Amino acid sequence: GAGVSQTPSNKVTEKGKYVELRCDPISGHTALYWYRQSLGQGPEFLIYFQGTGAADDSGLPNDRFFAVRPEGSVSTLKIQRTERGDSAVYLCASSKGWRGTDTQYFGPGTRLTVL
Amino acid sequence: KQEVTQIPAALSVPEGENLVLNCSFTDSAIYNLQWFRQDPGKGLTSLLLIQSSQREQTSGRLNASLDKSSGRSTLYIAASQPGDSATYLCAVRSGSGGGADGLTFGKGTHLIIQP
Repeated sequence: GAGVSQTPSNKVTEKGKYVELRCDPISGHTALYWYRQSLGQGPEFLIYFQGTGAADDSGLPNDRFFAVRPEGSVSTLKIQRTERGDSAVYLCASSKGWRGTDTQYFGPGTRLTVL
Repeated sequence: KQEVTQIPAALSVPEGENLVLNCSFTDSAIYNLQWFRQDPGKGLTSLLLIQSSQREQTSGRLNASLDKSSGRSTLYIAASQPGDSATYLCAVRSGSGGGADGLTFGKGTHLIIQP
């Protein structure tokens, strides 16, 4: 596709359930990032992939959060035992390479609501 | 740890005025600085990216400057229009590891242009 796409656009779940959020990066982009944006805040970094491997997962808040990118393209962010505090917009971005100077392009986000 | 601050948090001006949004960051060792626009309920649209070796970038009515040594950037919007109403986010890409491979964002400036 022409840009970064994310599915679903909205997800409503109940406390304690498991959710998966999907990100399709721009074709050919080797680096992929996940961010979380709470209401009234700027996005916060969660995890960064170079190819298939997680190069930096220091932003994941706890072990309920996990992300994979098995073939170096599509990535899935997985959240176990969801809590109301996980409600936020989850943003994905990709860049052509992983140099510090490469531009990150953002998807439209998935709005997660935990009831 | 890199911190980004944006001032003011909110701004309301009449149509046609020129305006300046401010961004400051605590660690001057950055690769680049990026300004984004975010409309309500939407993802991020990149406006301008300034590499650490550059002083400014221009796109149409927008001009962004970077003073890396003092940890400051400004976004200048000329001849503002109601369609410019949005939240403007500043973000920096710092060094490696510890979440610095992702972007560090400010909380944004909520801009309203009155018709």
